[in-house]
Amino acid sequence: GDSVTQTEGLVTLTEGLPVMLNCTYQSTYSPFLFWYVQHLNEAPKLLLKSFTDNKRPEHQGFHATLHKSSSSFHLQKSSAQLSDSALYYCALSEGSSALGRLHFGAGTQLIVIP
Amino acid sequence: ETAVFQTPNYHVTQVGNEVSFNCKQTLGHDTMYWYKQDSKKLLKIMFSYNNKQLIVNETVPRRFSPQSSDKAHLNLRIKSVEPEDSAVYLCASSRGNSGNTLYFGEGSRLIVV
Repeated sequence: GDSVTQTEGLVTLTEGLPVMLNCTYQSTYSPFLFWYVQHLNEAPKLLLKSFTDNKRPEHQGFHATLHKSSSSFHLQKSSAQLSDSALYYCALSEGSSALGRLHFGAGTQLIVIP
Repeated sequence: ETAVFQTPNYHVTQVGNEVSFNCKQTLGHDTMYWYKQDSKKLLKIMFSYNNKQLIVNETVPRRFSPQSSDKAHLNLRIKSVEPEDSAVYLCASSRGNSGNTLYFGEGSRLIVV
């Protein structure tokens, strides 16, 4: 079945350093990949999504490239900000008629310190 | 801005009681979902509803049941809560097709004592 793996449960960074959160996936079909972000006591919300190989969506300084060859969709940002501290989920939506159902990874807690 | 509204935000109850969580979306979406976020922050889908029909029912215990009056509302009822039901229950909506964004509510936290 479809699955998403986020290898880091917790990432702690100093402000200004680059961010990279890993995401790999397994899927039978051609999937859509997403990153959702959840700040403390808030709803998860879409950060960015991609469903075309080698296209690179960007939002709020974050970007991710879907690589079908390596089944990856890593999230990156060149310089972390204190406000980036949050829980980040990578998610996969089946390319078939899954009506929007998402499989979420376990999440990566990002903490940015001064 | 919030467009998926959940009530109550927080509920404490005893084992064996019945609990209901309400959800309303104002986005005009045709698909709604309930997700469970456990103490380890794992997000698991429980149900999804499309045009008032249940289209996904993951292996959740039978004491859980979704209830929908129209495409803008999807409630969640738990008939007899157990300690492992303590979690945050997140409602979401989307346009039905795969690849569309999910919009989440802020969640309903359930504590079972």
